[in-house]
Amino acid sequence: EPEVTQTPSHQVTQMGQEVILRCVPISNHLYFYWYRQILGQKVEFLVSFYNNEISEKSEIFDDQFSVERPDGSNFTLKIRSTKLEDSAMYFCASIRDRDYGYTFGSGTRLTVV
Amino acid sequence: GESVGLHLPTLSVQEGDNSIINCAYSNSASDYFIWYKQESGKGPQFIIDIRSNMDKRQGQRVTVLLNKTVKHLSLQIAATQPGDSAVYFCAEIKRAGGYQKVTFGTGTKLQVIP
Repeated sequence: EPEVTQTPSHQVTQMGQEVILRCVPISNHLYFYWYRQILGQKVEFLVSFYNNEISEKSEIFDDQFSVERPDGSNFTLKIRSTKLEDSAMYFCASIRDRDYGYTFGSGTRLTVV
Repeated sequence: GESVGLHLPTLSVQEGDNSIINCAYSNSASDYFIWYKQESGKGPQFIIDIRSNMDKRQGQRVTVLLNKTVKHLSLQIAATQPGDSAVYFCAEIKRAGGYQKVTFGTGTKLQVIP
C-alpha cells in the first residue's frame, strides 16, 4: 500500500537553529498538508499546498515557517529559527483529490533544546 | 466558534466486548467526518469516514453513526481486540475550493484489557 514517508523520524535542534522536515507524499497525490501535534494535545493544521502554492495556512504558520516542493517528489517544511514551543510531532499528509481521506506519514518528532 | 470534541478521554474495554467512542461537533456545515486511529509514535491512520448526508456506515468490525440533530458522531468497534488499543480521533472535514481542511478532536484513548 502506498505510504507517505517522512524523514527524519526524530530531530533534536538547538533553539534558534533552522530545521527542515522532509516528506515524500504518495506519487499521484495532488494536495499536501503539514500538521503538528504537541505532546498530549490534538493534531493541529498548519498549512495546505496545492499546485505549487499555499492554499491555506493557520495562525500557527507564521513567518518562521515555509513550505516547498523543490522537485516532483519532496515536500518540505522549514522552520527558520526554532523556539522551544516548536517541539512537537510534525505530520505530513496528502490526498489525491478532495473526495478521498488523508494518508498521513509517521511523523517527525522535533525536539528543540 | 467551530469545534470538534470528545466526551471521554479514556475508555477501558474488556477484550471481546464492543467499544463505543463518542464525538460531538459544533459546525453543521462540514462535508464529512473521519475517524482516525493513532498508535503511540505513529501518525493518524484512517479508519472510516461518513458523509454528512448519511447516518450510518459500516466497515470491517467498525460502524460509524452520525446524528446531525444533536451533532454527534460515534465509532463502534465490535469484538474489541488488544490491537485496537490506541487513541481515536474524530475529524471534521470541510471542502474549501479544491482542497480540504481537517479539524481534529482531542482524542479518546482506548485501552483493551486482555
